[in-house]
Amino acid sequence: NAGVTQTPKFQVLKTGQSMTLQCAQDMNHNSMYWYRQDPGMGLRLIYYSASEGTTDKGEVPNGYNVSRLNKREFSLRLESAAPSQTSVYFCASSARRQGRGGGYTFGSGTRLTVV
Amino acid sequence: GESVGLHLPTLSVQEGDNSIINCAYSNSASDYFIWYKQESGKGPQFIIDIRSNMDKRQGQRVTVLLNKTVKHLSLQIAATQPGDSAVYFCAESYTGRRALTFGSGTRLQVQP
Repeated sequence: NAGVTQTPKFQVLKTGQSMTLQCAQDMNHNSMYWYRQDPGMGLRLIYYSASEGTTDKGEVPNGYNVSRLNKREFSLRLESAAPSQTSVYFCASSARRQGRGGGYTFGSGTRLTVV
Repeated sequence: GESVGLHLPTLSVQEGDNSIINCAYSNSASDYFIWYKQESGKGPQFIIDIRSNMDKRQGQRVTVLLNKTVKHLSLQIAATQPGDSAVYFCAESYTGRRALTFGSGTRLQVQP
């Protein structure tokens, strides 16, 4: 099915461990985004990539790094996980910047717990 | 600072009734708005969008109203069904902004 694929769906990490969240889209979208979602809060932007070859910080980038590997793939890396990074992570993509003209297409999320 | 917020965290309606979910925004430069639906364990799904040059836009069973004077956005769902039970988010952006900003969400519960 066309859309945004995120892996893994669930992950438990110990404090200090590292991991990479993978995201791939097959809609030929230019822009890709990583958001985190915490209980009772809206989605907060971690990093985004307006187009292949560019990445920029969002609202809450500390503790994360990203790589726009090619037009399809946009990965999020936690170098040294902390309990404050326990959250649900969503990757999204859009044909146009800011999702204009149809919004974002979201993946199904990665539920990350850091103990 | 700018913000996108919602008036009610939880809305409970009877099946068949109309639902209205509200959203306030603070940035007068915001010119693009979207409503998303998020079911449990899933990613948000696009419902409908509206640009600031419009006051109203209709989709299938949904209508979005935009009042720029008071910076208010609403989503109306006609004949609410059990499948409409979800969390609904508004999101906004303006030209030059890096990405969408999301509100904290309203949970819609449809009672049979």
